[in-house]
Amino acid sequence: AQSVSQHNHHVILSEAASLELGCNYSYGGTVNLFWYVQYPGQHLQLLLKYFSGDPLVKGIKGFEAEFIKSKFSFNLRKPSVQWSDTAEYFCATSYGGSQGNLIFGKGTKLSVKP
Amino acid sequence: DSGVTQTPKHLITATGQRVTLRCSPRSGDLSVYWYQQSLDQGLQFLIQYYNGEERAKGNILERFSAQQFPDLHSELNLSSLELGDSALYFCASSPQGNQPQHFGDGTRLSIL
Repeated sequence: AQSVSQHNHHVILSEAASLELGCNYSYGGTVNLFWYVQYPGQHLQLLLKYFSGDPLVKGIKGFEAEFIKSKFSFNLRKPSVQWSDTAEYFCATSYGGSQGNLIFGKGTKLSVKP
Repeated sequence: DSGVTQTPKHLITATGQRVTLRCSPRSGDLSVYWYQQSLDQGLQFLIQYYNGEERAKGNILERFSAQQFPDLHSELNLSSLELGDSALYFCASSPQGNQPQHFGDGTRLSIL
């Protein structure tokens, strides 16, 4: 069965530090990849997505992710975090095709110290 | 605001009871997904409907059922509730299957 692994449960950074959150998926076929963010008490918001094409994907709020097929990875990056980036981040994948249901990682909680 | 509306926001009930969670998708979206978020299991896909028909099933218990109505809103019915069913239940919608999903604020279900 397809699965997603997020290596870090909780990351604590100071403002202006660089961020990289790891994500690995297990499926070897065509996959769609997503990063969602959940701010405290809010719904999940889409940060960025990869369906095909340029493996370096730029999303909202200065986030980007790189799809590396050989490593089954889709790591999320941001050069300089802000206190307002404090949230939980979820990597997700879906099979190619019409179903589209998302398989989520366990999430990484990011705390940014001012 | 994602455009996906879920009601109620909070629900407190007792074991053995039955509840119905409601979701209105974004305007124009035909596909509705239900997810359960709990501390131990994380975010898990339950079921998907597309234009009124069941499209995919995930880790949904037999005590749970769902449907999508002609106006495209969806309901998730949970019966014979157990303490372990306490969780946040999210609805998401997309125009068709396999497109980015937009999530509602969720319904927090607490079983006493």
